Amino acid sequence: DTGVSQDPRHKITKRGQNVTFRCDPISEHNRLYWYRQTLGQGPEFLTYFQNEAQLEKSRLLSDRFSAERPKGSFSTLEIQRTEQGDSAMYLCASSLKGANSPLHFGNGTRLTVT
Amino acid sequence: SQQGEEDPQALSIQEGENATMNCSYKTSINNLQWYRQNSGRGLVHLILIRSNEREKHSGRLRVTLDTSKKSSSLLITASRAADTASYFCATYQLHREGTDKLIFGTGTRLQVFP
Repeated sequence: DTGVSQDPRHKITKRGQNVTFRCDPISEHNRLYWYRQTLGQGPEFLTYFQNEAQLEKSRLLSDRFSAERPKGSFSTLEIQRTEQGDSAMYLCASSLKGANSPLHFGNGTRLTVT
Repeated sequence: SQQGEEDPQALSIQEGENATMNCSYKTSINNLQWYRQNSGRGLVHLILIRSNEREKHSGRLRVTLDTSKKSSSLLITASRAADTASYFCATYQLHREGTDKLIFGTGTRLQVFP
């Protein structure tokens, strides 16, 4: 299967700890997106990359969140000093460049902050 | 932030019936896409309709787009129990700085009873 893969699938952490998630996109896709989804809601845009350049970051994202995509391949999303409100599903998606290229999603990382 | 509002929030039907979901959005768009999400999984792209198109078909799916009303509908004909999932509309916005992103609605939870 050459789809988008995310690791880990589940993460339970204590408030105040740092967590890092990884996303491996489809290899020929140059765009990579991070979304956050809470129960009963649609995915909420966090940030996206075109190759290694981070082109946009949501204003809703606090300074505790940082994302990287070194060498334009895999990406990591780090949350520092986690809070209970960070509990959510974190979804990664990749696509080719262009408005008419659909997003291909991974199965997400479910974060629970206790 | 979320762009679209979907109606209804939840829909329950019997197998064989048609299911119609509506989506309204706020800003000008390049295209509108529909995605499906099974519980605990990532989203899967279903269909894309461009802003200059009014109707599109794919198998049992029919999508309409009315840009004057800023609304779209997704019709699933002859529904099956396997169609049980959440369905999201997503709009592709052209950001004024030249970056762009896909913004999702709040979703419709469809339950199809056998």
